[in-house]
Amino acid sequence: EVQLVESGGGLVQPGRSLKLSCLASGFTFSNYGMNWIRQAPGKGLEWVASISSSSSYIYYADTVKGRFTISRDNAKNTLYLQMTSLRSEDTALYYCARGRAATFDYWGQGVMVTVSS
Amino acid sequence: DVVLTQSPATLSVTPGERISLSCRASESVDTYLHWYQQKPNESPRLLIKYASQSISGIPSRFSGSGSGTDFTLSINGVELEDLSIYYCQQGNSLPRTFGAGTKLELK
Repeated sequence: EVQLVESGGGLVQPGRSLKLSCLASGFTFSNYGMNWIRQAPGKGLEWVASISSSSSYIYYADTVKGRFTISRDNAKNTLYLQMTSLRSEDTALYYCARGRAATFDYWGQGVMVTVSS
Repeated sequence: DVVLTQSPATLSVTPGERISLSCRASESVDTYLHWYQQKPNESPRLLIKYASQSISGIPSRFSGSGSGTDFTLSINGVELEDLSIYYCQQGNSLPRTFGAGTKLELK
């Protein structure tokens, strides 16, 4: 069974940093691209970042480019999102999602990030 | 960026009826259009991929059609468990974008 479990969220002040993790199990992690997608409270879905299976290709939404860094450790079956210079508009539930071609075929339960003073 | 416009924003439904949800793209996405269902307080799940391809484990009452810029998600015989928000997503170009969603509610 594919499982994606996010962690690392919480309350953080504007301008500070936070690092999210996503532990994958139930599939060969190193064979799949991975993604972060977020959902602000009561809002729709916003793609944040993608990383290919070997980390060769990395892409970001313009809203986070230069502030967020996606990475992965295939030996640990773990995906990361390093978030810096956080803003109130980054407040959201952050989902880790497995990529299959151009779809997001499995999603984690999400981890909440709240940016507030 | 490709803008996806979903309509209607909200649809009131009666169990058993057949319904159609629309997703229109601002430019052609070929058939790189996928549908997701998000039930209240749950994560989204993939419902239909590449406009019309079914997903294992998804009930057969869900179907998709379309190509280019106009797409439709149909539910043949809505059930109470289908009361959710449905999102379309394009995978033809970066950035990946989602529609704003269509919420199914009980009439």
